Amino acid sequence: DGGITQSPKYLFRKEGQNVTLSCEQNLNHDAMYWYRQDPGQGLRLIYYSQIVNDFQKGDIAEGYSVSREKKESFPLTVTSAQKNPTAFYLCASSITDRWDQPQHFGDGTRLSIL
Amino acid sequence: AQTVTQSQPEMSVQEAETVTLSCTYDTSESDYYLFWYKQPPSRQMILVIRQEAYKQQNATENRFSVNFQKAAKSFSLKISDSQLGDAAMYFCAYRDIIQGAQKLVFGQGTRLTINP
Repeated sequence: DGGITQSPKYLFRKEGQNVTLSCEQNLNHDAMYWYRQDPGQGLRLIYYSQIVNDFQKGDIAEGYSVSREKKESFPLTVTSAQKNPTAFYLCASSITDRWDQPQHFGDGTRLSIL
Repeated sequence: AQTVTQSQPEMSVQEAETVTLSCTYDTSESDYYLFWYKQPPSRQMILVIRQEAYKQQNATENRFSVNFQKAAKSFSLKISDSQLGDAAMYFCAYRDIIQGAQKLVFGQGTRLTINP
């Protein structure tokens, strides 16, 4: 079955450490997205990518970085510059030529500070 | 910038009854999509229903339907014959298209409890 795989499910970060969250999709979607969800709040867009080797900042990109070297993969690095990284992170993907099609989401990664 | 507001942080309903969740949004665009997503305790985001702004007919998916009022910028979700499995966070989302990518703007969510 096609879908989006996020790993790990749980991740812990030490002070001053960079951590990378993995997102892989086999839906053949061109566009991929990263969202952050804080308790009791909706999702906020961190970064998105419409095509390989290209990506744009979303609404809360500070302290995060991404890469898009392969169509299937869109890893998110939470850098030490992100002072409040504890949150639930969701990856999503979509096709780009059918506007009636929604985004598909992975199961998420919960990041906590040690 | 587009904004989405869900004014009901929590709602509860008796099993088999009907409940309506509210959502309002702000945009200057004329064509866009609106979505309702469900997030159960597993934290998956599950699409419930979608509505294109150009379509006047309200979308329906089995027990789920919307009341879309474009002029009022209102997009409420009605759940009929509520079931225990409907208990979840529900998020309203507005979608814009930016250079081929979808930009979703989410509301704060409504936590729905189903009472047996």
